[in-house]
Amino acid sequence: EDQVTQSPEALRLQEGESSSLNCSYTVSGLRGLFWYRQDPGKGPEFLFTLYSAGEEKEKERLKATLTKKESFLHITAPKPEDSATYLCAVQVFYGNNRLAFGKGNQVVVIP
Amino acid sequence: EAGVTQSPTHLIKTRGQQATLRCSPISGHTSVYWYQQALGLGLQFLLWYDEGEERNRGNFPPRFSGRQFPNYSSELNVNALELEDSALYLCASSLSADSYEQYFGPGTRLTVT
Repeated sequence: EDQVTQSPEALRLQEGESSSLNCSYTVSGLRGLFWYRQDPGKGPEFLFTLYSAGEEKEKERLKATLTKKESFLHITAPKPEDSATYLCAVQVFYGNNRLAFGKGNQVVVIP
Repeated sequence: EAGVTQSPTHLIKTRGQQATLRCSPISGHTSVYWYQQALGLGLQFLLWYDEGEERNRGNFPPRFSGRQFPNYSSELNVNALELEDSALYLCASSLSADSYEQYFGPGTRLTVT
């Protein structure tokens, strides 16, 4: 069974204090790894798709990287508006398109 | 461009009743996915519809069912509601069955009392 584990579960950061979130995965035949941002009571907002080891993608203060076993979401000089739960999900080549999600990294950025 | 929309926003039902949740995908998208987000469990895949056909379902009992209409909108039905069905139900859409990215709607909060 596909497994996705995110750590740390919760993180409190001072504004400007850079940090990284980890997503470890165990799958057979990775089709894609996805990062989403979710605010309380809202649906997940798509951030990135990574397809192969060594790939990196950036968006504003966020940078996602991928290896054969894990992905990192680096938050550089975070601002309070970066406070959210960040979700990692994987999709495999079984033809069923389902996303298997981790439980998320809850990030709070303190001004 | 309008995103994925879901209705109603909140739904309160009593145990044993039926609930119907609705989803409209992004214009031009043919695939619709349903996920359940229960407290402490993370998002769990429920159903996938594409071009009007059910393509896959997750590990949920048969009382969770749905359909996709010719305009690609979708409906999720939950029969014989149980207390543990209380959750945020999220709908997502993708451009086609071959597309990777899924874009989520705001969700329907279902509370079963």
